Amino acid sequence: GAVVSQHPSWVICKSGTSVKIECRSLDFQATTMFWYRQFPKQSLMLMATSNEGSKATYEQGVEKDKFLINHASLTLSTLTVTSAHPEDSSFYICSARVLGQGAGYTFGSGTRLTVV
Amino acid sequence: LAKTTQPISMDSYEGQEVNITCSHNNIATNDYITWYQQFPSQGPRFIIQGYKTKVTNEVASLFIPADRKSSTLSLPRVSLSDTAVYYCLVGVLGSNDYKLSFGAGTTVTVRA
Repeated sequence: GAVVSQHPSWVICKSGTSVKIECRSLDFQATTMFWYRQFPKQSLMLMATSNEGSKATYEQGVEKDKFLINHASLTLSTLTVTSAHPEDSSFYICSARVLGQGAGYTFGSGTRLTVV
Repeated sequence: LAKTTQPISMDSYEGQEVNITCSHNNIATNDYITWYQQFPSQGPRFIIQGYKTKVTNEVASLFIPADRKSSTLSLPRVSLSDTAVYYCLVGVLGSNDYKLSFGAGTTVTVRA
């Protein structure tokens, strides 16, 4: 089945630094990917939708200059948390839309970000 | 997007059947019903999807009444490893204008 690989699985960074999270579709082309954030004991919150070759669409309340999304190829989308602060500490998950037979969504394994 | 309502939590014991009902009164004609499972610190995993009546796979069954305003996920003979959060989603998956939006989910706790 369609597999999405997300890296790193966890990262610790200092306040003020930037962190990049990668999401790769391994055996299919992902024209659309989604990025979610999940705080402890809460549901997934959609942050943005990225389409290959175009600008990402951000959900209301999500700072596009802080959460930079790049979807430069059909198999790779990246989320960069810029100038990270402790309140950005969260679990970030990517998802790719799978078209054709078995259409649906497949998720990455998530990235635990801790900003100290 | 059709809004969904699920119980916040459910407790069960090993070997029992767990049934989680999701309400989606505003489901549209083209909408499918999909359930995902999420373990702590992992991404959600697809469980089952259906449009009407009953769907069964190797891990669960999905019952959808004729009016499609609700659906019930049935997990037969649960084990400790079925402890997770289960999400019910409604929409036309794969369509260009559909954004996979998660509700609160149901936390299922299986005890020995």
